[in-house]
Amino acid sequence: GIQVEQSPPDLILQEGANSTLRCNFSDSVNNLQWFHQNPWGQLINLFYIPSGTKQNGRLSATTVATERYSLLYISSSQTTDSGVYFCAVDNDYKLSFGAGTTVTVRA
Amino acid sequence: NAGVTQTPKFQVLKTGQSMTLQCAQDMNHEYMSWYRQDPGMGLRLIHYSVGAGITDQGEVPNGYNVSRSTTEDFPLRLLSAAPSQTSVYFCASRVSNTGELFFGEGSRLTVL
Repeated sequence: GIQVEQSPPDLILQEGANSTLRCNFSDSVNNLQWFHQNPWGQLINLFYIPSGTKQNGRLSATTVATERYSLLYISSSQTTDSGVYFCAVDNDYKLSFGAGTTVTVRA
Repeated sequence: NAGVTQTPKFQVLKTGQSMTLQCAQDMNHEYMSWYRQDPGMGLRLIHYSVGAGITDQGEVPNGYNVSRSTTEDFPLRLLSAAPSQTSVYFCASRVSNTGELFFGEGSRLTVL
């Protein structure tokens, strides 16, 4: 399967700060998604973004498919942004997840 | 619109017992899949299906069986539970080989 590496593994932010999460993958992909797993364990869809740039409120994402990476930007972070952020990719139905970035936003 | 529904949400088994985790979706998605999530790790694919009557193995299929008799349902069976199968299980679906994946809320399984 495709290898997925996420960085950094942990991130501690002060409320209001901006941050960038990175996802590198080892092969070309048909699908790439970013998820937020909240403290209750629910997986929330953030972006479906196999290429290009998308924005949703304070969050935005960019995927450069030719260079095999994706970035998730969090601006003006809030305590509700805390949780684990996962990148997941596939090109053959076999979805591969990264190990995640654990984000803690302090008030 | 219910989306992806998993039952039960919590289950405790003894070693050697069998059980079935249910997954149903009402979005007419062809692709359905099961994942397990262990502490501190991302999700790992167990089995997936690209349509009724078609299933295939993922990264960690041993100890699990699946079937897909209808488009809506994709149950995951543990025939003889082992403590190593203690985990949180997620079911997910999407339209086809591309597109946004939608997850259920998860099922927490403990095997004693």
